[in-house]
Amino acid sequence: LAKTTQPISMDSYEGQEVNITCSHNNIATNDYITWYQQFPSQGPRFIIQGYKTKVTNEVASLFIPADRKSSTLSLPRVSLSDTAVYYCLVGDVISGGYQKVTFGTGTKLQVIP
Amino acid sequence: DTGVSQNPRHKITKRGQNVTFRCDPISEHNRLYWYRQTLGQGPEFLTYFQNEAQLEKSRLLSDRFSAERPKGSFSTLEIQRTEQGDSAMYLCASSLTENIQYFGAGTRLSVL
Repeated sequence: LAKTTQPISMDSYEGQEVNITCSHNNIATNDYITWYQQFPSQGPRFIIQGYKTKVTNEVASLFIPADRKSSTLSLPRVSLSDTAVYYCLVGDVISGGYQKVTFGTGTKLQVIP
Repeated sequence: DTGVSQNPRHKITKRGQNVTFRCDPISEHNRLYWYRQTLGQGPEFLTYFQNEAQLEKSRLLSDRFSAERPKGSFSTLEIQRTEQGDSAMYLCASSLTENIQYFGAGTRLSVL
C-alpha cells in the first residue's frame, strides 16, 4: 500500500487560498489520488480525485506533477466552514477490480476569522 | 435522505456485552465498507463487501468481530464480548465505482 505524508495541521485566515501538499513516493501505476474532508462527528466526504495533471471542480483543485509522487489540494478563498480534517488517499486497485483506501492522520485545517 | 445511513448513532455498553450496528448503503451501491476511527486518527479499514460476498477482512478484525451483508443490501457489524479498546467511531461507506466512497455519519461506541 502506498503511504502518504501530509502536514498534521495548518492555519489560514478567511478569504485566503489554502494549499495542502501530500507526499506519496510509492504510488503505483494504477493508483488514483483522492482527497476527503471530515468534520467532527461526521464521516469523511469526498472532495476531489485525480490521476495526473490538474483536476478542478466546484469545491477545489488538485495539482499532480508528472512523477505523481506528490499532490496538492488547493482550496480557494476558505471560509470558517472549511475548518476540518483533510485526508489524502492513494487508492489501490487490487485484482478483482475494487479499491481499498488507506487513511493517514490527515491535515487539520483551522480557518481563522 | 438518500445517503448512507447508520444506526444507532451512539451506543453505550458495558464491557463484555455484545453490540450490533447497522448500515444501509446508498441504493444500488454494490460495494460496502466498514472502518473504525479513534480520536485523532484517520479511519482504519475493517472489511469490504461486494454485493453479499465479504471479500476482504483486515487483521484488525478480531474473532470477536463479524460482519454480514445478507442479500447484498444492508450490512451489520457485530462485536462480541466488547472491550474498552473497542470504543471508537465505526464508519460505513458504500460505492458504485471503484474509486469514490460515500460515508455515513458513523456509530460512536463507548464501552464502560
